[in-house]
Amino acid sequence: DIVMTQSPDSLAVSLGARATINCRSSQSVLYRSNNNNYLAWYQQKPGQPPKLLISWASTRESGVPDRFSGSGSGTDFTLTINSLQADDVAVYYCQQYYTTPRTFGQGTKLEIK
Amino acid sequence: QITLKESGPTLVKPSQTLTLTCTFSGFSLRNSGEGVGWIRQPPGKALEWLALIYGSDDMRYRPSLKSRLTITKDTSIDQVVLTMTSMDPVDTATYYCAHFYNWNCEDSWGQGTLVTVSS
Repeated sequence: DIVMTQSPDSLAVSLGARATINCRSSQSVLYRSNNNNYLAWYQQKPGQPPKLLISWASTRESGVPDRFSGSGSGTDFTLTINSLQADDVAVYYCQQYYTTPRTFGQGTKLEIK
Repeated sequence: QITLKESGPTLVKPSQTLTLTCTFSGFSLRNSGEGVGWIRQPPGKALEWLALIYGSDDMRYRPSLKSRLTITKDTSIDQVVLTMTSMDPVDTATYYCAHFYNWNCEDSWGQGTLVTVSS
């Protein structure tokens, strides 16, 4: 299985500041034939299902604010949230869908400082 | 608009078999590229992918649970069923079904159903 490791496990950021969450995969999730990274980011608020924010490592889903951005390739990826808002408080997960079993990171809990 | 909804028992006894149904709309598993997956989340813990099925009938399972899982589809009523045998208290979790297309990630999720395994 591909192991996904997120860092940090939790972070507290001031309103209006930037939050950065990292995700590392135990093997590359870059499919060279199409140059796509099979890496997604989800946001999960308490009592709710995960919500897809970003697919293909950097493609924002329709309706997701452009404050959210994804970057990285191969084995190292980053989710950046600019101008943090109170509504961004959630747990964030990365996921690889390069191969089955699809695997998720352990989650990063984002709070307001 | 794609919607999915999970249904099934909220409480099962250890050693029993769990049967969960995902009823969906907004897409059809008659299309080979469409797919439905199951993911679970123990209380306070991370997401764990379990299985998927494509309209093409391609099925994949989490290797560590493969002997206990079966995923099937009924395209006539737009449902996917997941069965898990030999349930144990560690299987207590919220179980989600989700849609994906081709080899993309899960883009739409059901609200989830909490299953508690206890005698």
